[in-house]
Amino acid sequence: DAGVTQSPTHLIKTRGQHVTLRCSPISGHKSVSWYQQVLGQGPQFIFQYYEKEERGRGNFPDRFSARQFPNYSSELNVNALLLGDSALYLCASSLDLQGRQTQYFGPGTRLLVL
Amino acid sequence: GNSVTQMEGPVTLSEEAFLTINCTYTATGYPSLFWYVQYPGEGLQLLLKATKADDKGSNKGFEATYRKETTSFHLEKGSVQVSDSAVYFCALIILTGGGNKLTFGTGTQLKVEL
Repeated sequence: DAGVTQSPTHLIKTRGQHVTLRCSPISGHKSVSWYQQVLGQGPQFIFQYYEKEERGRGNFPDRFSARQFPNYSSELNVNALLLGDSALYLCASSLDLQGRQTQYFGPGTRLLVL
Repeated sequence: GNSVTQMEGPVTLSEEAFLTINCTYTATGYPSLFWYVQYPGEGLQLLLKATKADDKGSNKGFEATYRKETTSFHLEKGSVQVSDSAVYFCALIILTGGGNKLTFGTGTQLKVEL
Protein backbone atom coordinates (compact mmCIF):
# COMPACT_ATOMS: atom_id res chain seq x y z
CA ASP A 1 0.00 0.00 0.00
CA ALA A 2 1.11 3.54 -0.70
CA GLY A 3 2.18 5.61 2.26
CA VAL A 4 1.22 9.19 2.99
CA THR A 5 1.85 11.36 -0.05
CA GLN A 6 2.34 15.11 -0.16
CA SER A 7 2.58 17.65 -2.94
CA PRO A 8 4.48 19.61 -3.98
CA THR A 9 7.83 18.43 -2.61
CA HIS A 10 9.41 21.87 -2.77
CA LEU A 11 7.98 25.36 -3.13
CA ILE A 12 9.42 28.86 -3.29
CA LYS A 13 7.16 31.83 -2.59
CA THR A 14 7.59 35.51 -1.79
CA ARG A 15 6.32 37.39 1.24
CA GLY A 16 2.62 38.16 1.12
CA GLN A 17 1.75 35.34 -1.26
CA HIS A 18 -0.59 32.46 -0.55
CA VAL A 19 0.27 28.74 -0.62
CA THR A 20 -1.73 25.49 -0.70
CA LEU A 21 -0.17 22.21 0.35
CA ARG A 22 -1.81 18.85 -0.29
CA CYS A 23 -1.80 15.52 1.50
CA SER A 24 -3.24 12.09 0.74
CA PRO A 25 -3.46 9.73 3.73
CA ILE A 26 -2.84 6.01 3.80
CA SER A 27 -5.84 4.14 2.43
CA GLY A 28 -8.36 3.54 5.21
CA HIS A 29 -7.00 6.27 7.46
CA LYS A 30 -9.59 8.86 8.43
CA SER A 31 -7.47 11.29 10.43
CA VAL A 32 -4.97 13.75 8.98
CA SER A 33 -2.69 16.04 10.97
CA TRP A 34 -0.39 18.85 9.86
CA TYR A 35 2.91 19.80 11.49
CA GLN A 36 5.44 22.55 10.87
CA GLN A 37 9.13 21.74 11.31
CA VAL A 38 11.47 24.69 11.37
CA LEU A 39 15.12 23.85 10.70
CA GLY A 40 16.81 22.37 13.74
CA GLN A 41 13.61 21.93 15.77
CA GLY A 42 10.99 19.29 16.40
CA PRO A 43 7.70 19.35 14.49
CA GLN A 44 4.98 21.62 15.89
CA PHE A 45 1.31 20.66 15.64
CA ILE A 46 -0.84 22.86 13.41
CA PHE A 47 -4.17 21.06 12.77
CA GLN A 48 -5.88 17.72 13.04
CA TYR A 49 -8.90 16.64 11.02
CA TYR A 50 -11.06 13.58 11.49
CA GLU A 51 -14.06 12.69 9.37
CA LYS A 52 -13.82 16.12 7.71
CA GLU A 53 -14.10 17.99 11.00
CA GLU A 54 -11.38 19.99 12.75
CA ARG A 55 -10.52 18.15 15.96
CA GLY A 56 -7.49 20.08 17.12
CA ARG A 57 -5.64 23.29 16.43
CA GLY A 58 -2.17 24.34 17.51
CA ASN A 59 -0.88 27.77 18.39
CA PHE A 60 -0.74 29.21 14.88
CA PRO A 61 -2.26 32.44 13.54
CA ASP A 62 -5.47 32.60 11.53
CA ARG A 63 -3.40 32.89 8.36
CA PHE A 64 -3.19 29.11 8.60
CA SER A 65 -6.27 27.11 7.63
CA ALA A 66 -7.00 23.59 6.49
CA ARG A 67 -9.75 21.32 5.35
CA GLN A 68 -10.38 17.62 4.77
CA PHE A 69 -12.25 16.26 1.80
CA PRO A 70 -14.75 13.33 1.58
CA ASN A 71 -11.92 11.06 0.36
CA TYR A 72 -9.98 12.05 3.53
CA SER A 73 -7.29 13.96 1.65
CA SER A 74 -6.43 17.34 3.07
CA GLU A 75 -5.18 20.79 2.15
CA LEU A 76 -3.22 23.24 4.29
CA ASN A 77 -3.51 26.88 3.26
CA VAL A 78 -1.27 29.70 4.42
CA ASN A 79 -2.12 33.32 3.55
CA ALA A 80 0.06 36.42 3.65
CA LEU A 81 3.29 34.43 3.86
CA LEU A 82 6.04 35.64 6.17
CA LEU A 83 9.73 34.80 6.06
CA GLY A 84 9.21 32.82 9.28
CA ASP A 85 6.82 30.47 7.53
CA SER A 86 9.80 28.87 5.79
CA ALA A 87 9.81 25.30 7.05
CA LEU A 88 9.17 21.66 6.26
CA TYR A 89 5.42 20.99 6.42
CA LEU A 90 4.61 17.44 7.38
CA CYS A 91 1.34 15.61 7.01
CA ALA A 92 0.54 12.55 9.11
CA SER A 93 -2.34 10.11 8.93
CA SER A 94 -3.79 7.66 11.41
CA LEU A 95 -6.73 5.26 11.47
CA ASP A 96 -8.66 7.26 14.03
CA LEU A 97 -8.13 9.42 17.11
CA GLN A 98 -7.19 6.77 19.65
CA GLY A 99 -4.09 7.85 21.53
CA ARG A 100 -2.19 4.64 20.89
CA GLN A 101 -2.72 4.83 17.14
CA THR A 102 0.47 5.43 15.22
CA GLN A 103 0.67 8.54 13.07
CA TYR A 104 2.44 7.86 9.78
CA PHE A 105 4.24 10.79 8.18
CA GLY A 106 4.65 11.81 4.59
CA PRO A 107 7.94 13.08 3.12
CA GLY A 108 6.92 16.69 3.65
CA THR A 109 6.73 19.85 1.57
CA ARG A 110 9.71 22.16 1.93
CA LEU A 111 8.52 25.77 1.72
CA LEU A 112 10.94 28.66 1.27
CA VAL A 113 9.59 32.19 1.60
CA LEU A 114 11.80 34.93 0.14
CA GLY B 1 1.01 21.35 29.70
CA ASN B 2 2.67 18.44 27.96
CA SER B 3 6.33 18.53 26.99
CA VAL B 4 9.25 16.32 25.99
CA THR B 5 12.89 16.95 26.85
CA GLN B 6 15.70 15.24 24.97
CA MET B 7 19.44 15.33 25.44
CA GLU B 8 21.12 17.84 23.18
CA GLY B 9 23.20 16.70 20.27
CA PRO B 10 25.02 16.08 18.21
CA VAL B 11 26.01 12.71 19.62
CA THR B 12 29.06 11.33 17.82
CA LEU B 13 29.91 7.64 18.18
CA SER B 14 32.19 5.13 16.56
CA GLU B 15 30.62 2.21 14.73
CA GLU B 16 29.63 -0.66 17.09
CA ALA B 17 29.48 1.66 20.11
CA PHE B 18 26.56 1.59 22.58
CA LEU B 19 23.93 4.31 22.15
CA THR B 20 21.72 5.98 24.72
CA ILE B 21 19.57 9.01 23.96
CA ASN B 22 17.75 10.30 27.01
CA CYS B 23 14.13 11.39 26.88
CA THR B 24 11.92 12.57 29.74
CA TYR B 25 8.39 13.86 29.58
CA THR B 26 5.82 15.90 31.43
CA ALA B 27 2.20 15.02 30.82
CA THR B 28 -1.16 15.90 32.35
CA GLY B 29 -2.55 12.44 31.64
CA TYR B 30 -1.40 8.97 30.62
CA PRO B 31 0.56 9.32 27.36
CA SER B 32 1.61 6.90 24.67
CA LEU B 33 5.31 7.35 23.86
CA PHE B 34 7.11 7.21 20.53
CA TRP B 35 10.53 7.47 18.95
CA TYR B 36 10.66 8.77 15.39
CA VAL B 37 13.76 8.96 13.17
CA GLN B 38 14.44 11.48 10.42
CA TYR B 39 17.11 10.77 7.83
CA PRO B 40 18.64 13.72 5.96
CA GLY B 41 16.16 15.37 3.61
CA GLU B 42 13.32 13.04 4.54
CA GLY B 43 10.15 13.01 6.62
CA LEU B 44 9.67 11.19 9.93
CA GLN B 45 9.60 7.41 10.29
CA LEU B 46 8.22 5.65 13.34
CA LEU B 47 11.03 3.73 15.04
CA LEU B 48 9.20 2.26 18.04
CA LYS B 49 6.41 2.95 20.50
CA ALA B 50 5.06 2.00 23.92
CA THR B 51 1.52 2.61 25.10
CA LYS B 52 1.62 1.74 28.81
CA ALA B 53 4.00 1.66 31.74
CA ASP B 54 6.79 -0.97 31.63
CA ASP B 55 6.12 -1.69 27.95
CA LYS B 56 9.30 -2.08 25.89
CA GLY B 57 9.22 -0.94 22.30
CA SER B 58 11.83 -2.40 19.95
CA ASN B 59 12.74 -2.25 16.28
CA LYS B 60 15.92 -2.67 14.19
CA GLY B 61 18.02 -3.25 17.32
CA PHE B 62 16.72 -0.11 19.06
CA GLU B 63 14.85 -0.40 22.37
CA ALA B 64 13.07 1.93 24.79
CA THR B 65 11.16 1.15 27.98
CA TYR B 66 8.23 3.25 29.23
CA ARG B 67 9.18 4.19 32.81
CA LYS B 68 6.23 5.88 34.52
CA GLU B 69 8.03 6.31 37.84
CA THR B 70 10.83 8.35 36.26
CA THR B 71 8.71 9.72 33.36
CA SER B 72 11.35 8.55 30.92
CA PHE B 73 11.61 6.72 27.60
CA HIS B 74 15.32 6.47 26.85
CA LEU B 75 16.40 5.09 23.47
CA GLU B 76 19.17 2.46 23.41
CA LYS B 77 21.03 0.37 20.85
CA GLY B 78 23.79 -2.05 21.63
CA SER B 79 25.88 -1.55 18.48
CA VAL B 80 25.33 1.40 16.16
CA GLN B 81 26.10 1.46 12.46
CA VAL B 82 26.99 4.32 10.12
CA SER B 83 23.53 3.90 8.58
CA ASP B 84 21.96 4.88 11.94
CA SER B 85 23.17 8.45 11.47
CA ALA B 86 20.02 10.56 11.61
CA VAL B 87 17.99 12.82 13.90
CA TYR B 88 15.94 11.04 16.56
CA PHE B 89 12.77 12.55 18.03
CA CYS B 90 11.02 11.48 21.21
CA ALA B 91 7.30 12.24 21.24
CA LEU B 92 4.13 11.67 23.22
CA ILE B 93 0.41 11.60 22.56
CA ILE B 94 -2.36 12.24 25.06
CA LEU B 95 -5.87 11.82 23.79
CA THR B 96 -7.93 14.88 24.62
CA GLY B 97 -11.06 16.54 23.33
CA GLY B 98 -8.73 18.38 21.01
CA GLY B 99 -7.61 15.27 19.15
CA ASN B 100 -4.46 13.24 19.57
CA LYS B 101 -1.65 15.59 18.59
CA LEU B 102 1.97 14.51 18.88
CA THR B 103 4.20 16.62 21.11
CA PHE B 104 7.85 16.32 20.07
CA GLY B 105 11.17 16.96 21.68
CA THR B 106 13.72 19.09 19.87
CA GLY B 107 15.50 16.10 18.40
CA THR B 108 18.95 14.59 18.92
CA GLN B 109 21.32 14.28 15.99
CA LEU B 110 23.36 11.08 15.93
CA LYS B 111 26.55 10.83 13.87
CA VAL B 112 28.20 7.42 13.59
CA GLU B 113 31.74 7.28 12.23
CA LEU B 114 33.84 4.38 11.00
